[in-house]
Amino acid sequence: GAGVSQSPSNKVTEKGKDVELRCDPISGHTALYWYRQSLGQGLEFLIYFQGNSAPDKSGLPSDRFSAERTGGSVSTLTIQRTQQEDSAVYLCASAHNSYEQYFGPGTRLTVT
Amino acid sequence: AQSVTQPDIHITVSEGASLELRCNYSYGATPYLFWYVQSPGQGLQLLLKYFSGDTLVQGIKGFEAEFKRSQSSFNLRKPSVHWSDAAEYFCAVLGETSGSRLTFGEGTQLTVNP
Repeated sequence: GAGVSQSPSNKVTEKGKDVELRCDPISGHTALYWYRQSLGQGLEFLIYFQGNSAPDKSGLPSDRFSAERTGGSVSTLTIQRTQQEDSAVYLCASAHNSYEQYFGPGTRLTVT
Repeated sequence: AQSVTQPDIHITVSEGASLELRCNYSYGATPYLFWYVQSPGQGLQLLLKYFSGDTLVQGIKGFEAEFKRSQSSFNLRKPSVHWSDAAEYFCAVLGETSGSRLTFGEGTQLTVNP
């Protein structure tokens, strides 16, 4: 079946611009996660959605970062006023039971 | 807080040789442990997982891992490496509190020589 999909695959933006990254989870998965992968920091947790519960935003690095999940399915990660240190690969994962997380191919964000 | 350490940043093996990638974890309770593989430009693919029970777990692509509580380790092994196994490997532990986030090790880059 279809896996987790993310768009765009690559995004180049100018410093100070806003960007939106999209994640389509596996159908039926109630849990959705965002992680960030960067050279200096490795793989870091950003935010977690589970069903209709309030999201766990504890991993978001600043208030420029936000995410929403509409209808319990698609999620959008928004970064406002992008900075060069936001350059990274943003990975989305979904899970049926919050244990086995399946990852998408990621969005490579480059801030110039 | 939980943590994961992968002591080897880079490992090189010859094709056909055996492989062992090390992973040590720090966690208060019985951990849920995972190994993921990432090929260049790709996302993370789940190789195998340990939740409980038999401490030797089998995964995809001929990989296995052994959970050793006494050593806080979950090392990944493969008897005979193929050139297509060249990739980066991540060990991860699942948090018990608040949202089941994964905490990853730093990764081990595997190079396979012909």
